[in-house]
Amino acid sequence: AQSVAQPEDQVNVAEGNPLTVKCTYSVSGNPYLFWYVQYPNRGLQFLLKYITGDNLVKGSYGFEAEFNKSQTSFHLKKPSALVSDSALYFCAVSYGGYQKVTFGTGTKLQVIP
Amino acid sequence: NAGVMQNPRHLVRRRGQEARLRCSPMKGHSHVYWYRQLPEEGLKFMVYLQKENIIDESGMPKERFSAEFPKEGPSILRIQQVVRGDSAAYFCASSPSNGEAFFGQGTRLTVV
Repeated sequence: AQSVAQPEDQVNVAEGNPLTVKCTYSVSGNPYLFWYVQYPNRGLQFLLKYITGDNLVKGSYGFEAEFNKSQTSFHLKKPSALVSDSALYFCAVSYGGYQKVTFGTGTKLQVIP
Repeated sequence: NAGVMQNPRHLVRRRGQEARLRCSPMKGHSHVYWYRQLPEEGLKFMVYLQKENIIDESGMPKERFSAEFPKEGPSILRIQQVVRGDSAAYFCASSPSNGEAFFGQGTRLTVV
């Protein structure tokens, strides 16, 4: 079964510092990997995806993620955090296509002014 | 092109009543997914539908829950005889046949 793990419930980072939100996935075929962000009382917004190709994927709002096959990881990164980046971030995986995406439990990112 | 539309945004039901949640996918999207988000938890997959077909309902509770995506009209998630434990945010997403999913803003169901 496909699964994804987000080991940190919460990440705190000072404004202007680089941020990393961690994600690992279970191995089965060629995964499609996604990051979504959820602001309070809102739905999920798509940030970026990895399907194939370059391991470094660039997405919305200055975020990027690096696919690492040997470590089965897909960590989300941003060089300089903004207070407005504070939100709940979900890593997600699907196999063999876009259908039935499985989400991680989410990581709350708190950017401290 | 409007995004995924869910209504109502907020729904309050008494225990034992029925809840009907509606989802209109984005134009051109033929795939619909329903997820449930319990307080302080992540999203749990419930069901994946295409027009008039349930493709995967492995995340649906065996009783009281049902979903449909008719040929015309929105997708409906129906919860019969609601209980307090059904209180959650229910998110719908849609996608084209080969593309990432886009989410609606969710319906927050409160059972009193």
